[in-house]
Amino acid sequence: ERVMTQSPATLSVSPGEGATLSCRASQSVSSNLAWYQQRPGQAPRLLIYGASTRATGIPARFTGSGSGTEFTLTISSLQSEDFAVYYCQQYNNWPPWTFGQGTKVEIK
Amino acid sequence: EVQLVESGGGLVKPGGSLRLSCAASGSTFSSYSMNWVRQAPGKGLEWVASISTSSSRIYYADSVKGRFTISRDNAKNSLYLQMSSLRAEDTAVYYCASRHCTDGVCPFDDWGQGTLVTVSS
Repeated sequence: ERVMTQSPATLSVSPGEGATLSCRASQSVSSNLAWYQQRPGQAPRLLIYGASTRATGIPARFTGSGSGTEFTLTISSLQSEDFAVYYCQQYNNWPPWTFGQGTKVEIK
Repeated sequence: EVQLVESGGGLVKPGGSLRLSCAASGSTFSSYSMNWVRQAPGKGLEWVASISTSSSRIYYADSVKGRFTISRDNAKNSLYLQMSSLRAEDTAVYYCASRHCTDGVCPFDDWGQGTLVTVSS
């Protein structure tokens, strides 16, 4: 089983600033890595797949990068709607499909 | 894109059973692999079960194997999760989520809004 580890657990950011979230896989997952956003009280939403491809309708301020075991989600100039919890997920080796524990991006 | 709506959640006693449903619309349901993912209160996401387009391949998380059964009815555009021998640790919001790919290597594209299952005496 691929274990996904995200850091930090919480990130405090001022609106308009940027944020960098990290995700590490216990073994290589190639580029088969997705990022999801979950706003309070809502279902998760696919943001990034293939480590760096934005899903339909996702703004360009969201950028994914990495391959193998190290991945990054960068959010430039945070908007109010971006304050949420972000999860990474590997879909290279399954079952199980595994998620990181999440990074909460909160208003500073 | 497929729209997904879960139903069937509620309060159930430990050891009890419950059947969740997920109704799909907006696209060809039969072309999507389907999944259940759960989220315990205040916790992260946990994959629960997956079923292929023709129901030929079914997978379960170790935590629910032998207690939960995933199934689908493509004629009714519906996904199901039969849960039995429920435990307090099964308390969670249960989401259905779709995957649309031919080789199985794809993310969870679309998600329903979730249905809450509470296991308590």
